[in-house]
Amino acid sequence: EPEVTQTPSHQVTQMGQEVILRCVPISNHLYFYWYRQILGQKVEFLVSFYNNEISEKSEIFDDQFSVERPDGSNFTLKIRSTKLEDSAMYFCADRTGPFYGYTFGSGTRLTVV
Amino acid sequence: AQKVTQAQTEISVVEKEDVTLDCVYETRDTTYYLFWYKQPPSGELVFLIRRNSFDEQNEISGRYSWNFQKSTSSFNFTITASQVVDSAVYFCALTPRGLTGGGNKLTFGTGTQLKVEL
Repeated sequence: EPEVTQTPSHQVTQMGQEVILRCVPISNHLYFYWYRQILGQKVEFLVSFYNNEISEKSEIFDDQFSVERPDGSNFTLKIRSTKLEDSAMYFCADRTGPFYGYTFGSGTRLTVV
Repeated sequence: AQKVTQAQTEISVVEKEDVTLDCVYETRDTTYYLFWYKQPPSGELVFLIRRNSFDEQNEISGRYSWNFQKSTSSFNFTITASQVVDSAVYFCALTPRGLTGGGNKLTFGTGTQLKVEL
């Protein structure tokens, strides 16, 4: 069964550094998402991406964050100047269209120290 | 705006007991999808079910069953004869169905931690 692949599975970074979280969506899926889950809390929507542009973003997704689909296969989330409170599990998800289910990657656990 | 409420923060049961996880939702959309996901200690999100708001039939899959009641905006999940491997956090989630002009994001509840003990 096709999978959404996220790398790395765990990343540790120094506060103030930039990180790029990578996702390889399923090839024929058109809608892409990033979600965040702070330890012990609920899964929160960050951003959705369709047709090479952001279609919706949450209030969490401020200027510190950006997304990109640089080569038609990878889907990346960049976090600039990381803060301690950015420590969380980040999930990438995709779907074929608005009438279909979502496929989630296994997540990247980001630890900011 | 969408909202999903899982009032049960944590439930502990003894193996073989039945357990029901509650989910209540709010949405202005006339059509929508409801989901349940399982998050084991390893952290990934495991898809369990997607239910279309058009379809109010209850569904059973092995030891799992779901009771969708549109009149009360609830989508409850029952595990029959629980097992230790069922121990996990369970999330209920909601999204509009079809094209909405936005990204059709999933809105999650806060989750219910289920602990099944021997």
